[in-house]
Amino acid sequence: DAKTTQPTSMDCAEGRAANLPCNHSTISGNEYVYWYRQIHSQGPQYIIHGLKNNETNEMASLIITEDRKSSTLILPHATLRDTAVYYCIVRVGSGSEKLVFGKGTKLTVNP
Amino acid sequence: NAGVMQNPRHLVRRRGQEARLRCSPMKGHSHVYWYRQLPEEGLKFMVYLQKENIIDESGMPKERFSAEFPKEGPSILRIQQVVRGDSAAYFCASSPTSGARLYGYTFGSGTRLTIV
Repeated sequence: DAKTTQPTSMDCAEGRAANLPCNHSTISGNEYVYWYRQIHSQGPQYIIHGLKNNETNEMASLIITEDRKSSTLILPHATLRDTAVYYCIVRVGSGSEKLVFGKGTKLTVNP
Repeated sequence: NAGVMQNPRHLVRRRGQEARLRCSPMKGHSHVYWYRQLPEEGLKFMVYLQKENIIDESGMPKERFSAEFPKEGPSILRIQQVVRGDSAAYFCASSPTSGARLYGYTFGSGTRLTIV
């Protein structure tokens, strides 16, 4: 079972920041937070991951709360092509390798 | 640098036939993972393989399904005596080492299997 809770759906205006929340209140100290997205039944695409520090790359930023029980994925300037299902996943960095996908958040970017 | 290659992209089989799905990992990747996505549902883990070894098959149905990743060639997901309920998208992912936390997985575009 997925260890995360995400809203079922969200809307965002094109050009605005999209902030996608994720709760992972049972996260363990050695578990990382990963974000993937799936655009219209394509293969999932890796976005970003982090352990406890905030992370940023060319796609997004990841903000993890100090107690690590929740995080937020930020797409700074959403475009129509960012419309997708976004998955927040926690997993141990070593050992069991599988990713457990929940239902994710369906983000719709509107013009 | 080609990504994860899956073929065929679409596969149609009649009930009772066999389906063989192929996955070529990214160059340099030696770990392969198979996932299934039923219509309108999320991805479900099936099996994790390294070259010539099955590491975790906890998500594989007990019957009719098998997977291999030979020393040479692609990984194969094989479904025998297919039934309508096997209709789904099957995704393969690969990673370079068991330390995948540093890289994330790279997924292929999937094989859409339709059973008629």
